Amino acid sequence: EDQVTQSPEALRLQEGESSSLNCSYTVSGLRGLFWYRQDPGKGPEFLFTLYSAGEEKEKERLKATLTKKESFLHITAPKPEDSATYLCAVQSSGYSTLTFGKGTMLLVSP
Amino acid sequence: GAVVSQHPSRVICKSGTSVKIECRSLDFQATTMFWYRQFPKQSLMLMATSNEGSKATYEQGVEKDKFLINHASLTLSTLTVTSAHPEDSSFYICSARSGTSSYNSPLHFGNGTRLTVT
Repeated sequence: EDQVTQSPEALRLQEGESSSLNCSYTVSGLRGLFWYRQDPGKGPEFLFTLYSAGEEKEKERLKATLTKKESFLHITAPKPEDSATYLCAVQSSGYSTLTFGKGTMLLVSP
Repeated sequence: GAVVSQHPSRVICKSGTSVKIECRSLDFQATTMFWYRQFPKQSLMLMATSNEGSKATYEQGVEKDKFLINHASLTLSTLTVTSAHPEDSSFYICSARSGTSSYNSPLHFGNGTRLTVT
């Protein structure tokens, strides 16, 4: 059974204070690892897909990295508008569905 | 591109009534759509996989007679919560994969439906 564990559950940062979110996973053959952003009362918004260990993707202040056991979402010099819940999900070989973690709720204060 | 529209965004209904939620892919065709349920501070839980022109596949523990799914076209899937009870109150979200040629292309989500059963 695929498992995804995200840490920390919540993170409070000052504007400009860089940090990283962690996503540890157990999967029988990784087909893809996905990062989403979810604002309150909204559906998840796609950020990145990572397919193999060593891969990195960047978008504005966000950078996602992947190893064989975990993924990190690095946030550089965050702004208040980066406040949201960040979700990690995995897709295993042979399946079309995703298994999600519980998310990390990020709050960036000005 | 890859926009998924979900309606309604909020619905309040009385216990015992049925509620229909629509999910549309606006700029792509989706042979498969996925229905998720999310409780506060919990992860998204897959309820069922909706296949165009065939029966939906339900996850273990999800009552197929309570959560009726219809996927009549390549752009529309509906979820009907029948005889709703307060414990069915939750946030329901649909999703679809836009890249028909890519098995592991990302899922795109609708904005969800907040169902409250009184």
